[in-house]
Amino acid sequence: GQNIDQPTEMTATEGAIVQINCTYQTSGFNGLFWYQQHAGEAPTFLSYNVLDGLEEKGRFSSFLSRSKGYSYLLLKELQMKDSASYLCAVRGEGTNDYKLSFGAGTTVTVRA
Amino acid sequence: DSGVTQTPKHLITATGQRVTLRCSPRSGDLSVYWYQQSLDQGLQFLIQYYNGEERAKGNILERFSAQQFPDLHSELNLSSLELGDSALYFCASSAEQGGTEAFFGQGTRLTVV
Repeated sequence: GQNIDQPTEMTATEGAIVQINCTYQTSGFNGLFWYQQHAGEAPTFLSYNVLDGLEEKGRFSSFLSRSKGYSYLLLKELQMKDSASYLCAVRGEGTNDYKLSFGAGTTVTVRA
Repeated sequence: DSGVTQTPKHLITATGQRVTLRCSPRSGDLSVYWYQQSLDQGLQFLIQYYNGEERAKGNILERFSAQQFPDLHSELNLSSLELGDSALYFCASSAEQGGTEAFFGQGTRLTVV
């Protein structure tokens, strides 16, 4: 099975940096995803890591350490519109396991 | 707009009834995933289809079933509905079985009363 942990809530100030950690314990691993979800809306894709290291995409960066079962999402230059839930998801490995297991999500509140 | 279309957007029905949720994937995507998101359980994977065939199953109840048609659209059928089935149901699609990115539709909000 999959066990994915991330903090429930985080608060930060506009213009600041926030790091959302995600730890996972899975029976197999074939990639880690980060999604952003505003309340009542669809999750939108932010990043994908399958190899160790940092992936940077504009104000968002994601890091993966497979040996530690650990990832983080870094949000820089926070804007009010970044207030949302951030979901960490892991894809298992195997011909019949191409599905995403999601963490419960981290609600980020950006304050002025 | 992700390119994934779900209908209806909202659905209110009574306990014991049966409903069908519909999903049209992005043009060219062969893989369709169904997820359930409730307040107390987060986003849960239900089932995946690839080019018409079932590929993976998650925590899908026996009262729920799905299929993917030759034109690649998919339907999720929920029967003998219970109050606890009230949730947001999302469909997602990707180009390959395990593509690097899945695109989510806007969801169907099901309320069972």
